[in-house]
Amino acid sequence: NAGVMQNPRHLVRRRGQEARLRCSPMKGHSHVYWYRQLPEEGLKFMVYLQKENIIDESGMPKERFSAEFPKEGPSILRIQQVVRGDSAAYFCASSLRTGTDTQYFGPGTRLTVL
Amino acid sequence: AQSVTQLDSHVSVSEGTPVLLRCNYSSSYSPSLFWYVQHPNKGLQLLLKYTSAATLVKGINGFEAEFKKSETSFHLTKPSAHMSDAAEYFCVVSEGEYGNKLVFGAGTILRVKS
Repeated sequence: NAGVMQNPRHLVRRRGQEARLRCSPMKGHSHVYWYRQLPEEGLKFMVYLQKENIIDESGMPKERFSAEFPKEGPSILRIQQVVRGDSAAYFCASSLRTGTDTQYFGPGTRLTVL
Repeated sequence: AQSVTQLDSHVSVSEGTPVLLRCNYSSSYSPSLFWYVQHPNKGLQLLLKYTSAATLVKGINGFEAEFKKSETSFHLTKPSAHMSDAAEYFCVVSEGEYGNKLVFGAGTILRVKS
C-alpha cells in the first residue's frame, strides 16, 4: 500500500519561473493538505482540498500561489513567478476522512529558487 | 486559535536513558493533539495522537504521551533512547472548522549520544 507520493523531490527554478509540485494521496484518500516548511520556521498550513474543491485556503499567500485537486490525477500546487523567498520544503498530506482523521505525509518537495 | 509551545529546541540524551520532550498547548476546547517525527530530509511520520479517549497515549517505537488538562501539557516520553530516535519532533494541535488544519510547534531536535 503506497504512501503519499510527491514529485519531484527536488526542484530548482530561477526567479520568475513557474513551479509545479505534484501530490498523489494514499489510495482511497480524498482529502489533501499542503504545508510549507520555510528555513528557520516551522511547518505552516497552506490549503485543504477535496476532489475538485478547495475547502480551506486560509494559509495560502494571496498572490502567485494556487492549488487544485482534479477529479482524476494528482493534486497540484502551483507557484507562479517564483521568488527567492519561496525556497522551502513543501509537504503534502492526505487523509481518509476530514476532521481529526490522521494526516499521512509525503516525503516533500524541496524547492530552491536561484 | 490553537497553538502549541515546545519548551526545548534541542534535547540531548545518552543511548539507553529516558527521553522527555515537552509540549504545552493552548486551546479553547478539548483539543486533538499529535506528535510527529521528522528524520533528516524525510517526510513526517505520526508517532501518536490524542483525541479525548485515554489520557495516556501509546505510540510507535516505544513512545508515549500523557494529556494533562490541568497543566495544558502533552509531553512525549520514551523509557530508553535508541540511536535511531535522533530526529526532529513536532507537537501538533488541530484546528479549523473541519479540524483539518494542523498547527505545528517549532520542533525539538533530539540528539542521542552513544
